[in-house]
Amino acid sequence: DPKIIQKPKYLVAVTGSEKILICEQYLGHNAMYWYRQSAKKPLEFMFSYSYQKLMDNQTASSRFQPQSSKKNHLDLQITALKPDDSATYFCASSQADWGGYAEQFFGPGTRLTVL
Amino acid sequence: GDSVTQTEGQVALSEEDFLTIHCNYSASGYPALFWYVQYPGEGPQFLFRASRDKEKGSSRGFEATYNKEATSFHLQKASVQESDSAVYYCALSDRGGRALIFGTGTTVSVSP
Repeated sequence: DPKIIQKPKYLVAVTGSEKILICEQYLGHNAMYWYRQSAKKPLEFMFSYSYQKLMDNQTASSRFQPQSSKKNHLDLQITALKPDDSATYFCASSQADWGGYAEQFFGPGTRLTVL
Repeated sequence: GDSVTQTEGQVALSEEDFLTIHCNYSASGYPALFWYVQYPGEGPQFLFRASRDKEKGSSRGFEATYNKEATSFHLQKASVQESDSAVYYCALSDRGGRALIFGTGTTVSVSP
């Protein structure tokens, strides 16, 4: 059974619209992350959450808002979508072992295309 | 800011060849260093890490040694197999492992 579920797998949106990317992890981890991968840039860190609290935010734009309704959920809301937002978005999780550099497990990704 | 540089964008090898991927980093602090591998259609997978100078990380026949003086963490494997074909990413973290900063990746293609 998949340990990190991302929904949907593919998503097509129009410029200016809003979408929510879903992430659920069943590894018992208490830290979760979002990364973005596009043709123009390598894997790019966006956010980290620990025990449902924001720890790091490397995203300059407020159009990207993580939402943690449950301990094992970290969704990503993106508003006012632009074509430049087209990318594959990966959710990841790990034990919150800061200083121990715990392994991060990545989900399969959601490929977002903005037209 | 912190950054990771991978010299090789693509590497083409035959089975049983020796693999080296060069990774150099720039960081203000004393980061931990990682190697991840990504197969088509999947998210990256952790290979191994090293968190102090001269520490060797290894997994599945791959290895790399943390070199603080040279700011390097080069990936090596003595004898590659076709199944090693993938994209390899070097990464660093100086926030206890939270925010990984990845290099641009190296696509390794191994032919039988």
